Amino acid sequence: QVQLQQWGAGLLNPSETLSLTCGVYGGSFNNYYWTWIRQSPGKGLEWIGEINPSGGTNYNPSLKSRVTLSVDTSKNQFSLKLTSVTAADTAVYYCARGGEWKFDYWGLGPLVTVSS
Amino acid sequence: QTVVTQEPSMTVSPGGTVTLTCASSTGAVTSGSYPNWFQQKPGQAPRPLINRTSNKYSWTPARFSGSLLGGKAALTLSGVQPEDEADYYCLLYYGGGWVFGGGTKLTVL
Repeated sequence: QVQLQQWGAGLLNPSETLSLTCGVYGGSFNNYYWTWIRQSPGKGLEWIGEINPSGGTNYNPSLKSRVTLSVDTSKNQFSLKLTSVTAADTAVYYCARGGEWKFDYWGLGPLVTVSS
Repeated sequence: QTVVTQEPSMTVSPGGTVTLTCASSTGAVTSGSYPNWFQQKPGQAPRPLINRTSNKYSWTPARFSGSLLGGKAALTLSGVQPEDEADYYCLLYYGGGWVFGGGTKLTVL
């Protein structure tokens, strides 16, 4: 059974960098696109970007200038960094397994709050 | 900026049938948009229901089906159950990236 577990800081000040990591347990780490998705409180879902085990990335154009995805295949982990956060970046951040045009396993998603 | 549009809300009676749709601002939704559908209940992560227009997961109840309908992606629920009350999101592929619809709040009443 595939499980995705996320961790990272849950409270940030404006202008700081959001940093989250997602660990993948069970199943193969290769042959998938590892994805980040967020959801602002009471709002809809927003695709942030994806990375493959080789480090190839695709980003949401609206966030591209502030987002960096990375992957550590030795640990079956991938990470999200979002710079210069504002209150508008307050959201639940989900990691998910993508690939073959589907997103079949998701993390539980920690709430990250940006507030001074 | 590509916009994916869903009905904001729909209401259905228990045992009834309802079709939710997903439209693209760039034109007709096709199989090449690889439509995905997700169900989300309050306080939970989204649960995948349908991928690549009509493919179900092992956990997808048989009453859920996906299709293309009139240039849109569609999710049909047949024989709706009270536990189907939730938010439903579609997701479409646009050459290197994905865009979610705004979601449909389905009420079973």
